[in-house]
This record gives sequence, structure tokens and C-alpha cells, in this order.
Amino acid sequence: DTGVSQDPRHKITKRGQNVTFRCDPISEHNRLYWYRQTLGQGPEFLTYFQNEAQLEKSRLLSDRFSAERPKGSFSTLEIQRTEQGDSAMYLCASSGNNEQFFGPGTRLTVL
Amino acid sequence: GQQLNQSPQSMFIQEGEDVSMNCTSSSIFNTWLWYKQDPGEGPVLLIALYKAGELTSNGRLTAQFGITRKDSFLNISASIPSDVGIYFCAGRLSGTYKYIFGTGTRLKVLA
Repeated sequence: DTGVSQDPRHKITKRGQNVTFRCDPISEHNRLYWYRQTLGQGPEFLTYFQNEAQLEKSRLLSDRFSAERPKGSFSTLEIQRTEQGDSAMYLCASSGNNEQFFGPGTRLTVL
Repeated sequence: GQQLNQSPQSMFIQEGEDVSMNCTSSSIFNTWLWYKQDPGEGPVLLIALYKAGELTSNGRLTAQFGITRKDSFLNISASIPSDVGIYFCAGRLSGTYKYIFGTGTRLKVLA
């Protein structure tokens, strides 16, 4: 296992379309996080899972956003009816204790 | 979203110089993490701190967990061109596994 992986690395979509991103964490890690990062800012927390349970969600995560981790392994983040303001880097991270390791991110561009 | 105060915002230094940056908050944290991020990539974990007053090194990097638990510091000694990038702190609040990130310090090293 070489670390956290994310797919796709880049996504260009038209406003109003739905998009789904996937994250595969480090295999023995039970916690998985999603963050959003816009240009010039630090990562902003969206949500995290412990195993399959979604334990906390940010108010940044509007009704158009949904995240799942059905078997406590990989996770998906779906954005419905995308808006131009959703354009950002979406980062996934996983943790087995207190250290947190990031994937390479998915760059979303909404036209 | 909530972000921690990180300073300086940016630094231009000569190769070989030492660098210091810090992160402050009004909240008390149980864990501090320091990351480096290159353009278009996910943040890479540099150092993790778990106890107030803890001083930890990783090669030329040294970080400290502030005594008040509201701040943390990162020092880079004898900077080299590959130190260029954006450095982020991240703090974990008590009673949660959620991390809050700093605003970032952009480091440029002049050869």
C-alpha cells in the first residue's frame, strides 16, 4: 500500500451536473476525512468517518454534498447540481491514530 | 470555514538561512500537525506533536507544541531550494478528531 489514492485527479464539468469522487485510504486506517481547498487557502474540513460511521459534518457541506463510506474502506464524495463556486481541490486524508495522511486531491473545475 | 492564524503569510529568504513560522489560536488543541504542500499536490506530513511543550525534530525541521496548547512553531534550519512550498499547521480540538488548518506560510528560497 503506497498511501491514500484519489480518483479522478482532475474533473471538468458543466454547471448543474453531478460529480462523484473516490478516495481509497491507507488500508489499516479507520478514520477518513474530506477537505476542500481553494486557491490561497488552507484545507477546510468537510466531514470525517470512523469506519463506516459519518461522525461530523461541516456546515460547509450543503445539501448538495453527500459522502459515504459504506464498508469502512473507500469513500465517495458526491456533489449534485454543481455550481461555479464548487470549483476547488477536494482532498481526502486517512488516519489510524493522530497522524493524518493526505491523498493527491481531485481538482474540480465547474464551467 | 474556521482557520488558524499562521504567520508570516509569506517569506523570501536566501539559501542557507533559517526560517521560523508559527500558528496561533484562541482554542486549546490536543495535537498539532505540520505539513508542506507543493502546487497541485496534497499536503505532506512533516511533524506531529502530541504534548504541551514537546519539541520534535525531523532532519532540518524542528517543531514545538506551545505550553499554552494554543500555539505551535516550526523552524527550518539551513534552508535549501527544495524547501520552497506552502507550510500549513493543523490543530486537533479536544473531544474530536476534526482538524483545523492554518492559513499557510508561503516560503520562497533564493539561491
